[in-house]
Amino acid sequence: DQQVKQNSPSLSVQEGRISILNCDYTNSMFDYFLWYKKYPAEGPTFLISISSIKDKNEDGRFTVFLNKSAKHLSLHIVPSQPGDSAVYFCAASDTDKLIFGTGTRLQVFP
Amino acid sequence: NAGVTQTPKFRVLKTGQSMTLLCAQDMNHEYMYWYRQDPGMGLRLIHYSVGEGTTAKGEVPDGYNVSRLKKQNFLLGLESAAPSQTSVYFCASSYPRLASDEQFFGPGTRLTVL
Repeated sequence: DQQVKQNSPSLSVQEGRISILNCDYTNSMFDYFLWYKKYPAEGPTFLISISSIKDKNEDGRFTVFLNKSAKHLSLHIVPSQPGDSAVYFCAASDTDKLIFGTGTRLQVFP
Repeated sequence: NAGVTQTPKFRVLKTGQSMTLLCAQDMNHEYMYWYRQDPGMGLRLIHYSVGEGTTAKGEVPDGYNVSRLKKQNFLLGLESAAPSQTSVYFCASSYPRLASDEQFFGPGTRLTVL
């Protein structure tokens, strides 16, 4: 039973446009949510996070929105750049560990 | 600081062989983790440790053992490798309750079991 779900395996966006990556979760007790970015042949790197007591966190071109009633979070990238092409994982903090979604591959084309 | 390092980067094993993957971190983190990444499956937690001398099972622990004899090292062992263990293995570390529970990942080990 997946507690963290990313239902879109891939997303293709034109450079300069907005990229929206979605994530759903089932456990209302998660206290932090994180987004990681992963390039091929590299380890995941932390991108941005949000506490469960907030509904928005912004860092430059990246904004994460949290809708607790819907158990849904999204990552917005504006404007999208070719260097943003990667796999994005959302994760939820569960006591001493993170539970990851299956990832969404973002491709940003010129 | 090197961050999180993993040894080796690549390995090919035959079914039934054993091996140990080494993870080292120089950030004085208390917590360390081993994940495997398979296509369409995301990152799945194998085992983790919340401090020197402690280990705990994650989501997919069968067929693996771990040890945390030193705070900076976390070893993942395969006693009798199987083709189903072909995967990319990532180690991560974190400092508990620091900000958002961010974990720092190593570059990965690509393991193929024939």
